Amino acid sequence: GAVVSQHPSWVICKSGTSVKIECRSLDFQATTMFWYRQFPKQSLMLMATSNEGSKATYEQGVEKDKFLINHASLTLSTLTVTSAHPEDSSFYICSTLKGQGITEAFFGQGTRLTVV
Amino acid sequence: GQNIDQPTEMTATEGAIVQINCTYQTSGFNGLFWYQQHAGEAPTFLSYNVLDGLEEKGRFSSFLSRSKGYSYLLLKELQMKDSASYLCAGMDSNYQLIWGAGTKLIIKP
Repeated sequence: GAVVSQHPSWVICKSGTSVKIECRSLDFQATTMFWYRQFPKQSLMLMATSNEGSKATYEQGVEKDKFLINHASLTLSTLTVTSAHPEDSSFYICSTLKGQGITEAFFGQGTRLTVV
Repeated sequence: GQNIDQPTEMTATEGAIVQINCTYQTSGFNGLFWYQQHAGEAPTFLSYNVLDGLEEKGRFSSFLSRSKGYSYLLLKELQMKDSASYLCAGMDSNYQLIWGAGTKLIIKP
């Protein structure tokens, strides 16, 4: 069964509005959650790493004020795209590693965001 | 810097065998992962190698050579449902995954 639950699966929003994407670990505590963005026919691009109880670490070029990440509990991390623009339209995926050290990455189902 | 290289696209015939290569450069090394991703879906785990050699799992096998910074994914008895992108990812010393751009595999009847 699913290890990580992400929703919504898809969302259409108007330019200028904000969209929140949730990612939950289902049967374990995820101290770290990775947020990726994937444009069509491109690879996963790491946007930020969220850690429970502390500030997220953003990759170079990713605006932290635009992509707000909150990891308030060990089972929930959220990504909020603020003041969305059409160029923010993309596939957003969360991922976490179950346990310590070397483990496979478990992914949420992904969220297809379309900004019109 | 850290880098993962793999071919952009490959084409193969149903029932045949295909090998997808991957070369990697990571800061430290904690293993090499292969994932399958169908269009519009999240990646799913296929294999993990940390020691040199071949790991076989059904129709899929994965090989690693640490000295060469090289891995390949071997798919046998190809089926139409194997049409997907295959992502190679290296895990660095901080347990971060460094992702390749993915290889789009097209299966023809």
